[in-house]
Amino acid sequence: QVQLVQSGSELKKPGASVKVSCKASGYTFSRNGMNWVRQAPGQGLEWMGWINTNTGNPTYAQGFTGRFVFSLDTSVNTAYLQISSLKAEDTAVYYCARGVLTATLPSTPWGQGTLVTVST
Amino acid sequence: DIVMTQSPDSLAVSLGERATINCKSSQSVLYSSNNKNYLGWFQQKPGQPPKLLIYWASTRESGVPDRFSGSGSGTDFTLTISSLQAEDVAVYYCQQYYSGSSFGQGTKLEIK
Repeated sequence: QVQLVQSGSELKKPGASVKVSCKASGYTFSRNGMNWVRQAPGQGLEWMGWINTNTGNPTYAQGFTGRFVFSLDTSVNTAYLQISSLKAEDTAVYYCARGVLTATLPSTPWGQGTLVTVST
Repeated sequence: DIVMTQSPDSLAVSLGERATINCKSSQSVLYSSNNKNYLGWFQQKPGQPPKLLIYWASTRESGVPDRFSGSGSGTDFTLTISSLQAEDVAVYYCQQYYSGSSFGQGTKLEIK
């Protein structure tokens, strides 16, 4: 069955960087793009963008350019989200989800989420 | 960017009664070449990732109970739960995938 398993929680200081992984199994990795979605504590869902797992081409939503980088390691069927120059407002749960019907419609199942906490 | 606005922000409905959530997009999400509305609905229960319920505005995802239905076209959409069950308590989000993607702010559904 399809599974997306994300890396564990992270506690980082402001200004540091973090890299979140999303390991896919149960389907052909290159067939579906990978979306990233952010959810701040007690808040709603924000679509961050997606990466084409066939070409490696990323697309970033407004507000997620510059410090946010999507990448892949197709040899291990894994997508990554790296955030640099972390700020307190980056504290959130980050989800990965593949786009099946279309690239930017995140389909079930999503990854379990990775909590990134930015604090001194 | 397409802005999605849901109403109401929260809703309390008695068990067995109908629940209706509305979603409005700032521009049409109907793609004329295939006559499909690029609109999805998600359910998120506490401590869990979201789950896709409805896509193309009205197509239920496999395994989703038929008490969930979606309707609407263009800029105005509705998610209806025909007979509320206890397990339907959750936050519901609409999402457009016509141009990139964006979510509504969410509607919290509770039992009255």
